[in-house]
Amino acid sequence: EVQLVESGGDLVQPGGSLRLSCAASGFTFSNCNMNWVRQAPGKGLEWVSYITSSSSTIYYADSVTGRFTVSRDNAKNSLYLQMNSLTAEDTAVYYCATWDSGPTGWGQGTLVSVSS
Amino acid sequence: QAVLTQPSSLSASPGASASLTCTLRSGINVATYSMYWYQQRPGSPPQYLLRYKSDSDKRQGSGVPSRFSGSKDTSANAGILLISGLQSEDEADYYCLMYYSGAWVFGGGTKLTVL
Repeated sequence: EVQLVESGGDLVQPGGSLRLSCAASGFTFSNCNMNWVRQAPGKGLEWVSYITSSSSTIYYADSVTGRFTVSRDNAKNSLYLQMNSLTAEDTAVYYCATWDSGPTGWGQGTLVSVSS
Repeated sequence: QAVLTQPSSLSASPGASASLTCTLRSGINVATYSMYWYQQRPGSPPQYLLRYKSDSDKRQGSGVPSRFSGSKDTSANAGILLISGLQSEDEADYYCLMYYSGAWVFGGGTKLTVL
């Protein structure tokens, strides 16, 4: 069973940085493409970033390009999202998820709040 | 114009069927793409329902009842999630998802009310 556990969410000031982590278990993480998806309070789902199993291909949503960096460590079964230059519009629950390379699953999410 | 457009809300009666649509922007041919469908209940992460490209290329989520099914309406250029035998527990938000041009795209979501 796919298990994904996000961590690292916090209250941060505008312009600040944060690093999210996602710990994976229950499946062969190194074989799976991974995503970050966010959901602002009361809003719909917004895809943020995608990284292939070998990190050879990475995509970002236009809204985060140049500010966010996705990475993974297959030896540690972990996915990361480095977020810089945060604004109020980045306030959301951030989920890690996999859906296009075999097993499917989402974590419970971690809350990022950007406010002064 | 958004890549994927979903009606914001839909109501249906228990036991009836509900057809949730996800319309692709003009110029993007639905026949070419796989469409994913998710269910999200309040306070919970989205749950994978199914992926549908064609009748010969589809995948049901583990444990997802067969009363959830996918299809396409090529004349309307839309993906469809059909839920038959509606139950009160089906009341939730439903999102479509597709890969397009170097990005994954969610539809805006449809709030399904069962009453």
